[in-house]
Amino acid sequence: DAKTTQPPSMDCAEGRAANLPCNHSTISGNEYVYWYRQIHSQGPQYIIHGLKNNETNEMASLIITEDRKSSTLILPHATLRDTAVYYCIVRVAGTASKLTFGTGTRLQVTL
Amino acid sequence: DAGVIQSPRHEVTEMGQEVTLRCKPISGHNSLFWYRQTMMRGLELLIYFNNNVPIDDSGMPEDRFSAKMPNASFSTLKIQPSEPRDSAVYFCASSLTGDQPQHFGDGTRLSIL
Repeated sequence: DAKTTQPPSMDCAEGRAANLPCNHSTISGNEYVYWYRQIHSQGPQYIIHGLKNNETNEMASLIITEDRKSSTLILPHATLRDTAVYYCIVRVAGTASKLTFGTGTRLQVTL
Repeated sequence: DAGVIQSPRHEVTEMGQEVTLRCKPISGHNSLFWYRQTMMRGLELLIYFNNNVPIDDSGMPEDRFSAKMPNASFSTLKIQPSEPRDSAVYFCASSLTGDQPQHFGDGTRLSIL
């Protein structure tokens, strides 16, 4: 699976959009981009995934660049409960494969 | 809907003792994964099952670790004998099929004294 690079930490004011970047310059054509988050003392939580088109669900939006070498997870209106470590993971599509978690981005949402 | 259920939530025991961690996956999910999380190594996959059959156990650290899935609704991870370096949070996750998003339990925090 391709390697991902994320900033170690970010801050965001409550009510504002949180934009979390991820670089995956070695991604292959058959690899999806997955986002998970881990709130303190809880298990990782699936957020969203995509292949090449932008995706949106009730939690977030995922914007993937045209060359697929980077992506951005957008939390449109961050709340204090969104404070967590966010992991960007690249994974081969259509196969049963493990999730390789890096160090992620620690997002701190503040008042 | 019930999520992935793990027990116990916390376990403290002395080194040398046998430890058994339990997991009930989401009903209807065919794939089950065991992960371990430590400060030093982050989240690591230990083993995963598909339709109750172990598919990849390359992450199991050594023979002291064993995992079973006797049926679609139950799995165990056993450590015997336990050592202080096994102290970690152990997570179980399940997915509808192996390539679908994984849903995690809240973990078992294991402390070996």
